[in-house]
Amino acid sequence: GNSVTQMEGPVTLSEEAFLTINCTYTATGYPSLFWYVQYPGEGLQLLLKATKADDKGSNKGFEATYRKETTSFHLEKGSVQVSDSAVYFCALPNQGGKLIFGQGTELSVKP
Amino acid sequence: DAGVIQSPRHEVTEMGQEVTLRCKPISGHDYLFWYRQTMMRGLELLIYFNNNVPIDDSGMPEDRFSAKMPNASFSTLKIQPSEPRDSAVYFCASSLRREGHTDTQYFGPGTRLTVL
Repeated sequence: GNSVTQMEGPVTLSEEAFLTINCTYTATGYPSLFWYVQYPGEGLQLLLKATKADDKGSNKGFEATYRKETTSFHLEKGSVQVSDSAVYFCALPNQGGKLIFGQGTELSVKP
Repeated sequence: DAGVIQSPRHEVTEMGQEVTLRCKPISGHDYLFWYRQTMMRGLELLIYFNNNVPIDDSGMPEDRFSAKMPNASFSTLKIQPSEPRDSAVYFCASSLRREGHTDTQYFGPGTRLTVL
C-alpha cells in the first residue's frame, strides 16, 4: 500500500526564518497529496493540497510542490511567524478512501 | 456549514465505566473516520465508514471498542469497559469522495478522554 515519511521534529526556528519540512511518499499511481496542520488543542485542518504531478499547493504563505521524480512533497515557508507554531502532517490516500498520515512534525517558532 | 461536530469535548471517567463519544459529520459527506491521538502512538485510524457501512475496523484496539453509524448524520464510538490506557484525544472526520478520488478530510475538534 501507499506510505508517507516525514522528517522528525521538533523543529525550532526564530521568527522570519525559512522553513522546510520534508515529506516523501511511496504510492501506486499519482494520488493527491496533502499537508494538514494541527494547532494546539484543535483538530487537524487542511493546509494545502496538490492533485497531480508538478502541481503546487499554497495557502497562508506555505507552499509544496508535487514532485514525482523525487516522490516528494516538501512543505516550505519563506518567513515563519510565532502563530505558525503547530504540528504539520503530510498525507496521501490509500485504497478504500482513507488517508495515510505521516507521524507529524512539531514546529515551534520563537519571537 | 457547522463543520464536524463532536461531543462531549472533554470526558473524565473512572476505569470500568462505559464511555460513548458522538460525532455528527458534515452534511452530504459519505465517509466518516474515527481516529485516536496520543503522544506515544501519534494519530491512529480506528475505523471508518462509507455510506454508514463499516469498511475497515482493523485499527480498533480490542473488543472493548465498538463503533456504529445508524444514519448519515450520526456516529458513536463506545468503549466498554474503559481503561486508563484509553486516555487520548479522539477525533472524528468526514469526507466526500468524488469521481473515485479521495478528497479532503474535515476533522472535528476532538474529545479529550481521561480514564482515571
